[in-house]
This record gives sequence, C-alpha cells and structure tokens, in this order.
Amino acid sequence: QSVLTQPPSASGTPGQRVTISCSGSSSNIGSNPVNWYQHLPGTAPKLLIYRNNQRPSGVPDRFSGSKSGTSASLAVSGLQSEDEADYYCAAWDDSLNGPVFGGGTKLTVL
Amino acid sequence: EVQLVQSGAEVKKPGESLKISCKASGYSFTSNWIGWVRQMRGKGLEWMGNIYPGDSDTRYSPSFQGQVTISADKSISTAYLQWSSLKASDTAMYYCARISSGRKDWFESWGQGTVVTVSS
Repeated sequence: QSVLTQPPSASGTPGQRVTISCSGSSSNIGSNPVNWYQHLPGTAPKLLIYRNNQRPSGVPDRFSGSKSGTSASLAVSGLQSEDEADYYCAAWDDSLNGPVFGGGTKLTVL
Repeated sequence: EVQLVQSGAEVKKPGESLKISCKASGYSFTSNWIGWVRQMRGKGLEWMGNIYPGDSDTRYSPSFQGQVTISADKSISTAYLQWSSLKASDTAMYYCARISSGRKDWFESWGQGTVVTVSS
C-alpha cells in the first residue's frame, strides 16, 4: 500500500482535459513539494513536473501541476494518444526521511 | 547530456548474491545524490535508498535497510545495488536515478532499468 493515494485509472478522449489526484499527509505533501513522473511500459520513468508546478525543459505545457494542503493534482489538457502511460506522484516524507510515491494512475486515451 | 546506463538483466537462484550497476556520464558524478527505485511486476515505484558519491553518504528506506547495500565508485562514476542472499521476492525491475540537487529533490534523470529475476 502506497503512502500517497492516487486513483488506479483515469481516461479521456483525444483533446479532452484529464486530472489525476494525489492525496498525502502533513509529513509529505503537506510540508514538501510534489513531483510527477510519467512512465511508459518498457521505458525509464520521466520527470514530468517538479516543485508542484514546474515543467522540465521539453515537457509540453499541456501538462500542469498544482498543490493545495495535503493534496496535489496533475492536469493533462489537449489529451493525445501518446499521453497513454502510468503517472506517479511523489514527495519527500519527513517521517520516512525519504521520498514516497503514489501507487500510480494508468491513463487511457479512448 | 546526463546519462545513466544500467547493467543488463539478471537471472539468479534464491540465496545467490548479486551486484547491479548504474554508470553515470554527462555530469560530475560526485555532485548529485543517486537513488535506487524498485518496481515489482504490476506494482508502483518504491524508493530503496540514496547515495551521495562525493562522500559515500548512504541512506536507506526502512523497508530495505539490511536487505540491500548501496555503494558507489567515483573513480568510474558508477553506483551499485547489491544483495548478499537473494529471495524470490526480490524479483523486480530496478531503476537508478540522479537526484536534482539536494537529497530531498526530485529524480531528474533515470536509468533504463535492470530486470532481476530470482527463481529456483
């Protein structure tokens, strides 16, 4: 069971906007920034969002992140078939003294 | 360009030892923490531990403390993850990843992963 809670699945049609939630506690999301990773099967995970809402160079601005209290969310707008992947949230946990991940959300483009 | 290249897939028997590697290039190896992350089949990502190659400061997740050893050889810019006695439950994909700046920061660049299969 993962420390951060994500819905196991999400879906949308091409062009739609989809959001993925991530819920934690005061020891992780509540006191530390949230990062998001995209993981396509058979490939290395890729950093998608860091420090809650920052995009690394090369990540399309269709991807955006936000955080409020002990929850965070990832939004994907203008959904494309290539966005079909697993998405993980993560944050430093002060109790664990290490990073914790969500269980992952499988995004399906219908 | 930052690159992390991991060693190839391994098939081992329970009780055997194993050391997998993660060779870094494209940056100063001693300047960033490197972490190891496990993904069991069909499951999510789990942090195992980190090492700072500059001084070999190593931190472990409580779930993995005593189960694995993380090390680094800065002379060849390579980090390692090793087991002294493998179990079937160690079967998983293992990723190394460079941490952006401070120890608490994000995993910025990832290796391609090493599949470890432990079966009698």
